Amino acid sequence: GDSVTQMEGPVTLSEEAFLTINCTYTATGYPSLFWYVQYPGEGLQLLLKATKADDKGSNKGFEATYRKETTSFHLEKGSVQVSDSAVYFCALSDRRTSGSRLTFGEGTQLTVNP
Amino acid sequence: GAVVSQHPSRVICKSGTSVKIECRSLDFQATTMFWYRQFPKQSLMLMATSNEGSKATYEQGVEKDKFLINHASLTLSTLTVTSAHPEDSSFYICSAAGATLYNEQFFGPGTRLTVL
Repeated sequence: GDSVTQMEGPVTLSEEAFLTINCTYTATGYPSLFWYVQYPGEGLQLLLKATKADDKGSNKGFEATYRKETTSFHLEKGSVQVSDSAVYFCALSDRRTSGSRLTFGEGTQLTVNP
Repeated sequence: GAVVSQHPSRVICKSGTSVKIECRSLDFQATTMFWYRQFPKQSLMLMATSNEGSKATYEQGVEKDKFLINHASLTLSTLTVTSAHPEDSSFYICSAAGATLYNEQFFGPGTRLTVL
């Protein structure tokens, strides 16, 4: 079945540091890939998405590129802020095999210190 | 657009009582709604998937008589935790998906249930 693996956390960075959170996936079909962010005590917010190979999703300074050859969708940001502290979830969905159902990674806790 | 609300945001109840959580899509028609449970510092666990007008599909290990799901309209789904016990205390999150091309789910803000 489909699965998503994220780098283990927690990740602690200083403000303005470069961020990478690794995400790899296995899927039988051609999934769409997502990054969600969860702030404390809240639900999930879509951060960015990519629907086909080589697509780059971007939002609020975050980027991720859909790499089919390495089955990866790593999240990057050039300069993190304290307000980026949250839990980040990588996820995939394959409409042809599972409709709108999402498969989530384990989540990565990011803490950014001033 | 694509806003999903949940009510209540927090609820505390006594053991043995039932609790209903509402999930509404405010500005789109949700053909499918999902209910998740999240334990502290863990990922989301899918409990069930519901399509408007039909019975919910429960994930393995989730008691359908314990967690009653109703999806009566294209904008409302409810989760009722029946005869709640302390082990049911958790963060419950719903999401909704419409007829979009790229499988996007929109998430509610979550409901914190505490059973005393």
